[in-house]
Amino acid sequence: GENVEQHPSTLSVQEGDSAVIKCTYSDSASNYFPWYKQELGKRPQLIIDIRSNVGEKKDQRIAVTLNKTAKHFSLHITETQPEDSAVYFCAAEYAGGTSYGKLTFGQGTILTVHP
Amino acid sequence: GAVVSQHPSRVICKSGTSVKIECRSLDFQATTMFWYRQFPKQSLMLMATSNEGSKATYEQGVEKDKFLINHASLTLSTLTVTSAHPEDSSFYICSARDPSGLELDEQFFGPGTRLTVL
Repeated sequence: GENVEQHPSTLSVQEGDSAVIKCTYSDSASNYFPWYKQELGKRPQLIIDIRSNVGEKKDQRIAVTLNKTAKHFSLHITETQPEDSAVYFCAAEYAGGTSYGKLTFGQGTILTVHP
Repeated sequence: GAVVSQHPSRVICKSGTSVKIECRSLDFQATTMFWYRQFPKQSLMLMATSNEGSKATYEQGVEKDKFLINHASLTLSTLTVTSAHPEDSSFYICSARDPSGLELDEQFFGPGTRLTVL
């Protein structure tokens, strides 16, 4: 099955700095890669996603890059703000066959943005 | 986006009792729903895939007789934790896709159910 590794486990930055979180996946058949932000006790919130036919996607301060050959994808947050502090999860999905729709999550990154 | 609800949001029970958690898609029909479990300070782990009108598919290591899943309609899946024990205490989250939505890959998560077994 799919295996997703996420690094770093914790990340501390100053307000205004950039933050980068990296993930690798094992199944080359995976074709959908969402990123989630989760606050304590709440549901995961989709912040950006990318499909395997795209190398990069940007939405305001958030961007995701995907390298299919190396099987890794990264989340980039620019101009970080204290409200960006949360746990971030990457995930990979093999959207086909009997595994349709199953998400495998990374271990999570605790992001702390200091004012 | 589509809305998924869960009930209850929080439950405390005694060891040995059974607890039922409901997951509903409020504005779309979901033939497939997913159940995840999240222990404190850990990631979400898929427990099972709930299929409307058929048996659920369980992930390796998840006891199907302990975690009973019923997906009797296109908008409701239930997870019953039978004979719950303290080690079952966790945050249970369901998710579903909206097959009629614009973003077919996006999964919509319920708000989660915090289960505490005493």
